[in-house]
Amino acid sequence: EPEVTQTPSHQVTQMGQEVILRCVPISNHLYFYWYRQILGQKVEFLVSFYNNEISEKSEIFDDQFSVERPDGSNFTLKIRSTKLEDSAMYFCASSDRQGHEQYFGPGTRLTVT
Amino acid sequence: GEDVEQSLFLSVREGDSSVINCTYTDSSSTYLYWYKQEPGAGLQLLTYIFSNMDMKQDQRLTVLLNKKDKHLSLRIADTQTGDSAIYFCAERYNTDKLIFGTGTRLQVFP
Repeated sequence: EPEVTQTPSHQVTQMGQEVILRCVPISNHLYFYWYRQILGQKVEFLVSFYNNEISEKSEIFDDQFSVERPDGSNFTLKIRSTKLEDSAMYFCASSDRQGHEQYFGPGTRLTVT
Repeated sequence: GEDVEQSLFLSVREGDSSVINCTYTDSSSTYLYWYKQEPGAGLQLLTYIFSNMDMKQDQRLTVLLNKKDKHLSLRIADTQTGDSAIYFCAERYNTDKLIFGTGTRLQVFP
């Protein structure tokens, strides 16, 4: 069964450093999403992406964040200058219909020290 | 504003039915979803229900929706130890974003 994959599974970085989290969505899906879950809190929407453009973004997704689909298979989330409060589990998801039936990857745990 | 709430824990005996409850505030929700998260894994989509439905059954899973009370439930029949996980409900209204509940940790004991 096709699945969403994410790398790395765990990333440790120092405050102020840039990180890139990578995702490979399900191959025939056209809609892509990033969510995050801070420890002990709810899963929160960050951004959705379709046709090489951001479709929707939350208040969390400020200028420090960017997304890109650099080739036909990868979907990335970049955080330019990480803060301690960026420490969270980041989930990528994809779907073949806008917003509906989003399939999630296993997540990348980001630890900012 | 939008909010989705769930109880944090549920413990059931193997073979019994489990009922996980969820309440939401956005009456405009179009779809409501149930996801399962096992340790170290991502969020697995289990099932969903469209807001004009009252019930949906899928093998051992039954979803009930009470729109008047904004209450959603997931019933798992004949609960097995492999059902032990965190279950999240989520709502969506004509946007891309899912709004998740806090998650309910289901523990199944023999």
